[in-house]
Amino acid sequence: SQTIHQWPATLVQPVGSPLSLECTVEGTSNPNLYWYRQAAGRGLQLLFYSVGIGQISSEVPQNLSASRPQDRQFILSSKKLLLSDSGFYLCAWNRQKHSSYNSPLHFGNGTRLTVT
Amino acid sequence: KQEVTQIPAALSVPEGENLVLNCSFTDSAIYNLQWFRQDPGKGLTSLLLIQSSQREQTSGRLNASLDKSSGRSTLYIAASQPGDSATYLCAALPDLPQGGSEKLVFGKGMKLTVNP
Repeated sequence: SQTIHQWPATLVQPVGSPLSLECTVEGTSNPNLYWYRQAAGRGLQLLFYSVGIGQISSEVPQNLSASRPQDRQFILSSKKLLLSDSGFYLCAWNRQKHSSYNSPLHFGNGTRLTVT
Repeated sequence: KQEVTQIPAALSVPEGENLVLNCSFTDSAIYNLQWFRQDPGKGLTSLLLIQSSQREQTSGRLNASLDKSSGRSTLYIAASQPGDSATYLCAALPDLPQGGSEKLVFGKGMKLTVNP
């Protein structure tokens, strides 16, 4: 079976510090990978998605970046955090749409980031 | 541009009621429609996925229906229980002529409280 790991669960960082959140998926190959942010009252915001190693699509211009160094690893980074980066960050995966299986989106447990 | 709406934003009911949660979308060109549950402080859990060619899907006490022509999906919860209390989100995966999309469009969710 497939599992998704996301860490850390909580993080408190000062403004201007760097950020690195990591997500890994087990039990599947060549997944689509996603980073979402959820802020109170604003719903889920898609930040980045990737359909393959080194292929990153950015949805929202901001001071965040994403990388996919390995097939099942997705990393969210920032060089200098802003107060507005606070939120609940969620990693997710699904199988690519051209496969015969109509794949639901599976989420990790999230990282609660507080920028102080 | 696809938009997904869930009304009302919150619902409080006594235990045992049969519930109908509504989801509407603006563009009928969808690949699938997915329902999720989110408990406080947790990631989203996939509940049901309805392919565009299907009319409904069932899992236990949950039944989701899809009417693409009217741009609506409903999630039925039979004999609600306090453990059903959570936020429920629906999401549509657009089916675009240029090869489709991998990006789900989410509603903002509906917070359900089932009182004992």
